[in-house]
Amino acid sequence: AQTIHQWPVAEIKAVGSPLSLGCTIKGKSSPNLYWYWQATGGTLQQLFYSITVGQVESVVQLNLSASRPKDDQFILSTEKLLLSHSGFYLCAWSLEQSYEQYFGPGTRLTVL
Amino acid sequence: GDSVTQTEGLVTLTEGLPVMLNCTYQTIYSNPFLFWYVQHLNESPRLLLKSFTDNKRTEHQGFHATLHKSSSSFHLQKSSAQLSDSALYYCALSGNNYAQGLTFGLGTRVSVFP
Repeated sequence: AQTIHQWPVAEIKAVGSPLSLGCTIKGKSSPNLYWYWQATGGTLQQLFYSITVGQVESVVQLNLSASRPKDDQFILSTEKLLLSHSGFYLCAWSLEQSYEQYFGPGTRLTVL
Repeated sequence: GDSVTQTEGLVTLTEGLPVMLNCTYQTIYSNPFLFWYVQHLNESPRLLLKSFTDNKRTEHQGFHATLHKSSSSFHLQKSSAQLSDSALYYCALSGNNYAQGLTFGLGTRVSVFP
């Protein structure tokens, strides 16, 4: 069975500080991976997607960047956090050539 | 681009009554995939229903929806709401490019009271 982990579970950071969020999926090779952002009480906004190692496509950047260093790993980062970065960050995966997505447990980020 | 429009805001209802959440979509693709996701408080979204077949009812956990391409709709229904149905519900759309991910509606919050 596939499992998806996100780390950290929650983070409180200062404005202007760097950030790195991670996502790992186990039990499935070559998944499509996605990053979403959800403001408190808001909708899901897709940020990035990746269909293979080393390739990441941006949908909405929001002063963030993403990388896929390994087949099972997806990283979201920024060098300088903004207050507007606060929210719930979700990693999702789908099977190759499949449309349905499955979400990880998420990381709750608070920027002060 | 693709877009999804849902029943806005908050839907409140009494346990045991039926619930219907509207979802309409716009896309240039003739064969879109439509989904309903449910998100309970402090959890991540979970897939509830999916469909790509026109006029075919799909059911799961007491919920059902039918994709109607003629009206670009995929409404979610349940005949009898339960307290545990209180959650945020998202309708989502995928066009022909599976890799690009899903377009979500703004979400509808459902609160069921005893």
